[in-house]
Formats: sequence, structure tokens, C-alpha cells
Amino acid sequence: DAKTTQPNSMESNEEEPVHLPCNHSTISGTDYIHWYRQLPSQGPEYVIHGLTSNVNNRMASLAIAEDRKSSTLILHRATLRDAAVYYCIPSDWRAGGTSYGKLTFGQGTILTVHP
Amino acid sequence: NAGVTQTPKFQVLKTGQSMTLQCAQDMNHNSMYWYRQDPGMGLRLIYYSASEGTTDKGEVPNGYNVSRLNKREFSLRLESAAPSQTSVYFCASSVAGRSEQFFGPGTRLTVL
Repeated sequence: DAKTTQPNSMESNEEEPVHLPCNHSTISGTDYIHWYRQLPSQGPEYVIHGLTSNVNNRMASLAIAEDRKSSTLILHRATLRDAAVYYCIPSDWRAGGTSYGKLTFGQGTILTVHP
Repeated sequence: NAGVTQTPKFQVLKTGQSMTLQCAQDMNHNSMYWYRQDPGMGLRLIYYSASEGTTDKGEVPNGYNVSRLNKREFSLRLESAAPSQTSVYFCASSVAGRSEQFFGPGTRLTVL
């Protein structure tokens, strides 16, 4: 699995955008980049994933560098509910892929949102 | 629609005792997973079941066994609990071939 590097912690103010970076320089060509988050005392929650193109959904946007060695999760307007640990997880998820069915969680980035 | 449910929520065991953690999902998912999360750490995969009738080892399977009872249920058994197995255990499920996993609320296990 590709190694990832994320900041240990980041802070934001409510209603401001947040850009959470992730470096994954050893990513393979078939690894999808997944983002999950874990709110306090809860199980992780899927946020978004992508392969090469930037992706948007109702929760966030994912910007993937052209060389795929880094990505950024963008929360457009942070709320207090977005305070969580955010995990960046490269994984070849597809059936027959090297990591089919497996997600490897690192230590993630602790996001604090101030009112 | 309850999603993924886990029982019990909390458990205290003595070293050497056995117990089974239960997990059930009502989303008709094919794949199910067991993870553990130690304090201040990310989750580590213990076992997973890609489909009913199959199970495979994850990153940290030693000391655990699993049973995929049916499509809905996936249990994790500790035959002889050790203090090193003190952790929070999460069950998850997903549609086969899709990467979005849905997690349960967790079981907090303490082994004395």
C-alpha cells in the first residue's frame, strides 16, 4: 500500500473553507484515493474518492494533483460538525485489485473548527 | 433502516476469557469487515468477508476468529482474550465492488 503523509492537526473557523492535504508519493497507477472522516466517539464515515479527475459530492471536493502524488480534500464551508479526524487512504479497491476489500487507515489529520 | 449494528457497546473481560462480538447490517451488502482501533491510532483491518461464505485475513488477524453467519451477520470471536486486545472494535459493510464502507458505532473492549 502507498504510504501517506498528512498533517497531524489543522484548525479552521466556522464557515471558512478548509483544505486538507495528503501526500502519497508512492501511489500506484491503480490506487484510488479515498477520504474518510471519524467524528468523536463514532465509526469512520466515507467522504469521497477519486482516481485521476477532481471529484465533487455533497460533502466535499477532492482535488488530485496531475502526477497523483498528492491530493487535497476541500470542505467549502466548515461547520462545527466537520470537526473530526480525516483519513486519506490510497487503495486499489477494485475486484482483482491488490487491496480489494481493504482500507489501511493511518493516523489522519485532526481538524478543529472554531465557532 | 438501522445500518450497521454492533453488540455489545461495552465489555470488560479478564485475561483468558472468551467472547463473541456481533455485527449485523440491514443494507443487503455483500462485504463485511472487522477493524480494531487502539487509542490515538488509525483503524487496522482484522478480517473481512468479501461475500457470504468467504472470509480472509486482514492486517492483524492473530488471536481472532470470524464467522460469516449469513449475508447480514458477521461475528468476531476472541478465544482467549489478552490485555493487548483492549481496543475499540468496528464492524463495517459495503456493496461488493464499491469502496464506500459503512461503519457501526463500535464496541469498546477492555481486557484486564
